[in-house]
Amino acid sequence: AQSVAQPEDQVNVAEGNPLTVKCTYSVSGNPYLFWYVQYPNRGLQFLLKYITGDNLVKGSYGFEAEFNKSQTSFHLKKPSALVSDSALYFCAVRDPSHQTGANNLFFGTGTRLTVIP
Amino acid sequence: DTGVSQNPRHKITKRGQNVTFRCDPISEHNRLYWYRQTLGQGPEFLTYFQNEAQLEKSRLLSDRFSAERPKGSFSTLEIQRTEQGDSAMYLCASTLRRVGEASNTGELFFGEGSRLTVL
Repeated sequence: AQSVAQPEDQVNVAEGNPLTVKCTYSVSGNPYLFWYVQYPNRGLQFLLKYITGDNLVKGSYGFEAEFNKSQTSFHLKKPSALVSDSALYFCAVRDPSHQTGANNLFFGTGTRLTVIP
Repeated sequence: DTGVSQNPRHKITKRGQNVTFRCDPISEHNRLYWYRQTLGQGPEFLTYFQNEAQLEKSRLLSDRFSAERPKGSFSTLEIQRTEQGDSAMYLCASTLRRVGEASNTGELFFGEGSRLTVL
């Protein structure tokens, strides 16, 4: 079965510093990986995805993520954090080879990012 | 606004009552999903539709839950005989699955959710 783990419930970083939000996954086949952000009282917003190709993918608001197959990880990164990046971040996986779950996204429990001015 | 629309945004009900949520997806999207999110958890898949056909249901979707998408456009999620454990945010999302696409690579577009509180 597919699953996603976000080992940190909370990440604090100073404004201007680089940030990393961690994600590891478990699937039987080759994964499709996604990052979403949730601001207070707002819906989930898509940030970026990895389907195939270059392991480093770039997304919205200056975020990027690196797919690492050997470590089964897909960490979200940004070179310089902004206070406005403070939000809840969710990693999600889809396993296209899975018999019943190929069309669904399975989400991690989320990481709350706080950027300190 | 051309995003995914959900209503009502908030619903407070007494245990045992029935509630219904509506979702209007992005107009050209043929797939529609329902998720549930409780505090401190990520969204959990409930069910999805390809046009009007309900193709998959999670084990989380008990007999008290029913979802429809009668004309392949908007969808409703009904919960009968609500229980306190049903209190959650119910999220709707949509995406476009293109004809001939081998597998679904598209991201989901989410609405802002319908928050249910069962007293």
